[in-house]
Amino acid sequence: EVQLVQSGAEVKKPGESLKISCKGSGYSFTSYWIGWVRQMPGKGLEWMGIIYPGDSDTRYSPSFQGQVTISADKSISTAYLQWSSLKASDTAIYYCARGWPFDFWGQGTLVTVSS
Amino acid sequence: EIVLTQSPGTLSLSPGERATLSCRASQSVSSSYLAWYQQKPGQAPRLLISGASSRATGLPDRFSGSGSGTDFTLTISRLEPEDLAVYYCQQYGSSPWTFGQGTKLEI
Repeated sequence: EVQLVQSGAEVKKPGESLKISCKGSGYSFTSYWIGWVRQMPGKGLEWMGIIYPGDSDTRYSPSFQGQVTISADKSISTAYLQWSSLKASDTAIYYCARGWPFDFWGQGTLVTVSS
Repeated sequence: EIVLTQSPGTLSLSPGERATLSCRASQSVSSSYLAWYQQKPGQAPRLLISGASSRATGLPDRFSGSGSGTDFTLTISRLEPEDLAVYYCQQYGSSPWTFGQGTKLEI
């Protein structure tokens, strides 16, 4: 069974760093793209970027380029999304999803940034 | 960047009726790389349709997708109460992939 299990909810202060994770199982992790999607409170879905764990090829949306870093560790079948300096506007649910298009989704990680 | 515009914003229908959701692209979507997702309240999105018209595994045939180029449609025949959700289209033919703003379906 394909599963994407994301790390738990986070509460952070503005300016802090954060790295959230997405662990894939039940399939060949290196053979499928993994993407990240933001959903701000009460809003729609925004595509942030994708990574191919097989060779670490990474694409970003211009809206998120330079704001976040997407990475993957194929040895532990885990993809990551990280921020070096969070802002209040980063408060959202972040989903990871597999494939091209996204055929399996993680459960989401709620990130709250508040002073 | 390809902008996807969905209409209507909200659709209110009764069980057994037919829902027609539209997704219009600002430029042609290559190879019909257009997907539809369903997001029920409090849940992660779920893939319904890929390649504009291919149903995901296990999806009831009440759901169908059609269209090409810049105009795409998701049709849900014989609505059921559990179809209450927000539906998003997404193009994945050119980077950055983009989502439409969603259509909220009220039953």
